[in-house]
Amino acid sequence: GAVVSQHPSRVICKSGTSVKIECRSLDFQATTMFWYRQFPKKSLMLMATSNEGSKATYEQGVEKDKFLINHASLTLSTLTVTSAHPEDSSFYICSARGDSPEAFFGQGTRLTVV
Amino acid sequence: GENVEQHPSTLSVQEGDSAVIKCTYSDSASNYFPWYKQELGKRPQLIIDIRSNVGEKKDQRIAVTLNKTAKHFSLHITETQPEDSAVYFCAARGFQKLVFGTGTRLLVSP
Repeated sequence: GAVVSQHPSRVICKSGTSVKIECRSLDFQATTMFWYRQFPKKSLMLMATSNEGSKATYEQGVEKDKFLINHASLTLSTLTVTSAHPEDSSFYICSARGDSPEAFFGQGTRLTVV
Repeated sequence: GENVEQHPSTLSVQEGDSAVIKCTYSDSASNYFPWYKQELGKRPQLIIDIRSNVGEKKDQRIAVTLNKTAKHFSLHITETQPEDSAVYFCAARGFQKLVFGTGTRLLVSP
């Protein structure tokens, strides 16, 4: 299958700082990228959907100004957690989709805000 | 929007037994139904998927069935092995979004 690379895999940051997570499709053009958040022992909750070159569509309850998503090219999307707080600590995972219905996942990023 | 329900939440079987996980969805427009296996701290891995124009699909020990009329689909794992132990998620997609079920923790005991 196609490869999606996400990094960093782990990050610890201080409360009030911002953290950027990158998601890259390595061998296909990702027209659509999705960002999920996963709490321990829970399912993947969709945060937002982004199409290359256009603004992301956020799910209800997700703050646009807190979770900034940029999909500047067909191979790169970024999620920036702004002014992070301990409650933002979670596992964030991206997935990318090209022409097929299948979505390929990145490795995930475990964010810890201290 | 789409809502996907999955059960059971946990499933314990003996090695060699079969395991069945069931999901229902709400949006009749959904047309793609993948199943993912996720091990602790790792990304979900696609194990099998089915599209709405197919009723059943099989890949070695894994099979998926889809009933569009009833809006439910199931994952069947035969001859389970300890390495099948993981969390399994079903999902459904309509236009764009992939909505996940709540997950099933499968434990296969040797």
